[in-house]
Amino acid sequence: DTEVTQTPKHLVMGMTNKKSLKCEQHMGHRAMYWYKQKAKKPPELMFVYSYEKLSINESVPSRFSPECPNSSLLNLHLHALQPEDSALYLCASSQGDSYNQPQHFGDGTRLSIL
Amino acid sequence: AQSVTQLDSHVSVSEGTPVLLRCNYSSSYSPSLFWYVQHPNKGLQLLLKYTSAATLVKGINGFEAEFKKSETSFHLTKPSAHMSDAAEYFCVVSDLAGTASKLTFGTGTRLQVTL
Repeated sequence: DTEVTQTPKHLVMGMTNKKSLKCEQHMGHRAMYWYKQKAKKPPELMFVYSYEKLSINESVPSRFSPECPNSSLLNLHLHALQPEDSALYLCASSQGDSYNQPQHFGDGTRLSIL
Repeated sequence: AQSVTQLDSHVSVSEGTPVLLRCNYSSSYSPSLFWYVQHPNKGLQLLLKYTSAATLVKGINGFEAEFKKSETSFHLTKPSAHMSDAAEYFCVVSDLAGTASKLTFGTGTRLQVTL
C-alpha cells in the first residue's frame, strides 16, 4: 500500500472532455509533484507545488491545469487533451526544504485519450 | 547539472543468483542518490537512499548499494534474486529546487528473473 493515493486508477476520455485527477497524502509533506510517464521511459516532471504554491512548471501545455487546494491535496485538471497525452500520471510528495528526503509516489492514473 | 547513467537497459539473472544493476553519476558536489523500483502498472517504490552518511546503504527486500566517489558509481546489488524482483529499476539523483526537490532519472534497467 502506498501512502500517496491517486484517483481514479484508470481514465478514458475524449479529446473534448474535461476531467480531473486527484492526489492525496497525509504524511505532512509540504511539496507535491505531478509527473507524466510514457511506456518504457522514466517519469517526466510536470509541476511542483511547495507550501501550496506552484513553484515549477516544466513548460507544460495549458490543457493541463494543476491545483493545490490544501497541503494534503493536489489536483490535475484536464481539458481538450490530445492522443499523445495518453500516459501514466504519477503524483509524488516529499517533506520539502531538503533535497535529501525522498519523494514518495502514488500508483498513478492510467489515462487514455480517444 | 547533475546526471545519472544506467549502464544496462536490460539485465537477466536466474533465480537465486546475484543481481548487479549499474549506475554512474555526475555531480559537482556531494549528491543525494536514490534507487527506485517500479513493478508493472505501479508507481515508484523507494528501495534505498544515499545522503552522505554511510557509503554502504541497505535498503528494502535485501537490496543494497555502495557509493564510490572515486568511481562516481552507485551500483545496486542483491545476493540472491527472487522472481518477485522482476521490475524496472531507476537510479535517481536529487537536487534542491527552491523549497522542493527535483529528481533526475536514469533511463532505467529492466530486471528479468528466470527459473
